[in-house]
Amino acid sequence: DQQVKQNSPSLSVQEGRISILNCDYTNSMFDYFLWYKKYPAEGPTFLISISSIKDKNEDGRFTVFLNKSAKHLSLHIVPSQPGDSAVYFCAASGTDKLIFGTGTRLQVFP
Amino acid sequence: DAGITQSPRHKVTETGTPVTLRCHQTENHRYMYWYRQDPGHGLRLIHYSYGVKDTDKGEVSDGYSVSRSKTEDFLLTLESATSSQTSVYFCAISDRGAHATGELFFGEGSRLTVL
Repeated sequence: DQQVKQNSPSLSVQEGRISILNCDYTNSMFDYFLWYKKYPAEGPTFLISISSIKDKNEDGRFTVFLNKSAKHLSLHIVPSQPGDSAVYFCAASGTDKLIFGTGTRLQVFP
Repeated sequence: DAGITQSPRHKVTETGTPVTLRCHQTENHRYMYWYRQDPGHGLRLIHYSYGVKDTDKGEVSDGYSVSRSKTEDFLLTLESATSSQTSVYFCAISDRGAHATGELFFGEGSRLTVL
C-alpha cells in the first residue's frame, strides 16, 4: 500500500523553463510534507518542506504547493537549471516515520 | 554536512551469509533510521531508533534486525542474506525526529549485492 505516490518517473525540461513535480498521498494524518533531492552515488538531501496548515512555501527558485482536499502536493522550480538534474523524492511525515514516494528523475537540458 | 559515516560503502556477499552494515554519527542526534532504495520503490524504511536500545520496525523490516547500544552507532544486520536484499542502504539521522519536521540527514549509502 503506497501511501505517497509520484506517478511520473521522469521529467525533461529545458533550461530556464519551469519544472513541476507532482506527488499524491492517501493518509490525511500526515502533517509535514517534504521534498528531497538526490544525485547519483550520494545520499538524499533536504530541499524544502511545508506544514499541513499551509498551502504554499517558497525558498528561492523552489516553491511547494499543498492541496489538502486533493491530497496533492507539487514542487515548482523556476527557472530550471542544469544543476537541478537529479531524482526528486516527495515525503510525508506522520507519527514518527517519514514515508517517501518512488521518485521523479528530472533532467534539465540546455 | 551532518557527520554520518556508513560502512562498508560497497559489499558483495553470497546468499545465506550474515551481513552487518554500520552507521556512525558525530552529531549526537537522537533518531536514526535505515532505508533501502530500489528502482520503482523509492526509499523504504527498514527500522529506526528513537534512542539507545529503543528501536522499532518500518515498512520492510522482515529479514533485518537492528541494534543501537550507543547514541552514535546504529547497526543493520541481515542474518541470512537473500538476493532480494540486494539494494542501496541509507542511514539517516534527525535531532527532533521525522514526526516533528521530517528533516533527515542522510549518509552516502552502502551498496550491497547478494549473489
